[in-house]
Amino acid sequence: QSALTQPASVSGSPGQSITISCTGTSSDVGGYNYVSWYQQHPGKAPKLMIYEDNKRPSGVSNRFSGSKSGNTASLTISGLQAEDEADYYCSSYTSSSTFGVFGGGTKLTVL
Amino acid sequence: EVQLVESGGGLVQPGGSLRLSCAASGFTFSSCAMSWVRQAPGKGLEWVSIISTRGTNTYYADSVKGRFTISRDNSKNTLYLQMNSLRAEDTAVYYCAKDLRAGQWSYSMDVWGKGTTVTVSS
Repeated sequence: QSALTQPASVSGSPGQSITISCTGTSSDVGGYNYVSWYQQHPGKAPKLMIYEDNKRPSGVSNRFSGSKSGNTASLTISGLQAEDEADYYCSSYTSSSTFGVFGGGTKLTVL
Repeated sequence: EVQLVESGGGLVQPGGSLRLSCAASGFTFSSCAMSWVRQAPGKGLEWVSIISTRGTNTYYADSVKGRFTISRDNSKNTLYLQMNSLRAEDTAVYYCAKDLRAGQWSYSMDVWGKGTTVTVSS
């Protein structure tokens, strides 16, 4: 299975907004409403931030939002905070394997 | 408290076998699909395998198909990953994770264990 495509890194200053993209195909991102986003701090397990394209689990800050257009999903973080510095991964159901695939990950740096 | 605790990792020689376990607590284990996800040192996440609530449906990444077997014992609230014919490229932290939705597939994982490390080396 081919990984979904994410930028290797993004950066922003405290208080700013950033967007991380996740590009797939019509067999995954564009074909189903099953895109998720995970945050991972160094040495820690991933944490679910967005599921089913744009839904937030309880307890996740509303500064995190998800969207999708065609075969590209996006995670937007508004009001950047130092604690947001982490790696972010998208994932999606894919019909090519009948379960899931991750993106390569994006390192977010808060300047 | 909802919790997943992995065990069984360690150092194994190429071609060897290892069985990972994941003990679940704090939720109705039998109602949730479960997954194994791994992360090689310095690399990204890779979805290894997923199993349905009763264990009747299982799926694998191409990289492990035919070598790894996922299973579950709902009476013991435990998930397993039997890993055979291990290769150096299987070296990773292995996480077990719970599907977000009970009773159906959401392909989102809302609870993760802390992981267990598997090292394949001679």
